[in-house]
Amino acid sequence: AQTVTQSQPEMSVQEAETVTLSCTYDTSESDYYLFWYKQPPSRQMILVIRQEAYKQQNATENRFSVNFQKAAKSFSLKISDSQLGDAAMYFCAYRSGNTGTASKLTFGTGTRLQVTL
Amino acid sequence: KAGVTQTPRYLIKTRGQQVTLSCSPISGHRSVSWYQQTPGQGLQFLFEYFSETQRNKGNFPGRFSGRQFSNSRSEMNVSTLELGDSALYLCASSLEGREYDTQYFGPGTRLTVL
Repeated sequence: AQTVTQSQPEMSVQEAETVTLSCTYDTSESDYYLFWYKQPPSRQMILVIRQEAYKQQNATENRFSVNFQKAAKSFSLKISDSQLGDAAMYFCAYRSGNTGTASKLTFGTGTRLQVTL
Repeated sequence: KAGVTQTPRYLIKTRGQQVTLSCSPISGHRSVSWYQQTPGQGLQFLFEYFSETQRNKGNFPGRFSGRQFSNSRSEMNVSTLELGDSALYLCASSLEGREYDTQYFGPGTRLTVL
C-alpha cells in the first residue's frame, strides 16, 4: 500500500518570503501522480499543483513550484512571494497510474501554513 | 462552469439514525469519489462511482454505501450512525483519461452525530 508522509505539522512564513513544504511517499509503482491540495478555513479543497511521475520536469503554477525527486520519493512544494491568502492546510496526495485503483487519492496528514505580516 | 456542489452543508443527527448526503459533479465529469475527513484519521477514501457503478472502494464498513445516477449526481448513505461518523465528508469529481483525471472537490458536508 502506498503511504504519504508530511513531517511538518505547522510552518510559518512572512509575507513576500519563500517557504518549502515537504512530502515523502512510499510506493512500489513506477506510474503515478502526485498532487498538492490547499484547504483554507472555508474547508474547500483546492488543487494547487499536479505532477506526473513519468515527467522529469518539475511542475510550476505561478508562485507555486515543486521539487520532484523520484529516486528519493520526495515531492516538496515551494511557495514564492507568500501572500496572506496562502494561509491554509496543505495536503500532499498520491494517485496510482494503475487504472484499477486510479481513482483513489492517498493523502498525507497535512501541513498548516501560517503567513505573517 | 459551476464547481462541485454538496448538500446539505451541515447536518446534525443522533446515534442510530441514517443520513444521505448528495453531490453534484462538475458538468461533464462522470467520476465521483467520496472522502471522509476527521482530525484523528485525516482524509480517507470511501468509494468512487463511474457511470452508475461503484468502481473502487475504501476500507469502510458496510454501513457506508453510495450510488450514482444517470446524470452523474451521487449520493452516499450512512446507516446506524455512530459517534465516530462525525466528520467532514468531501466529494470530488473528475473527467476520464490520463491527462484529465485530476479530482476537483466540493465544499463538503459537515456531519455531527450526537
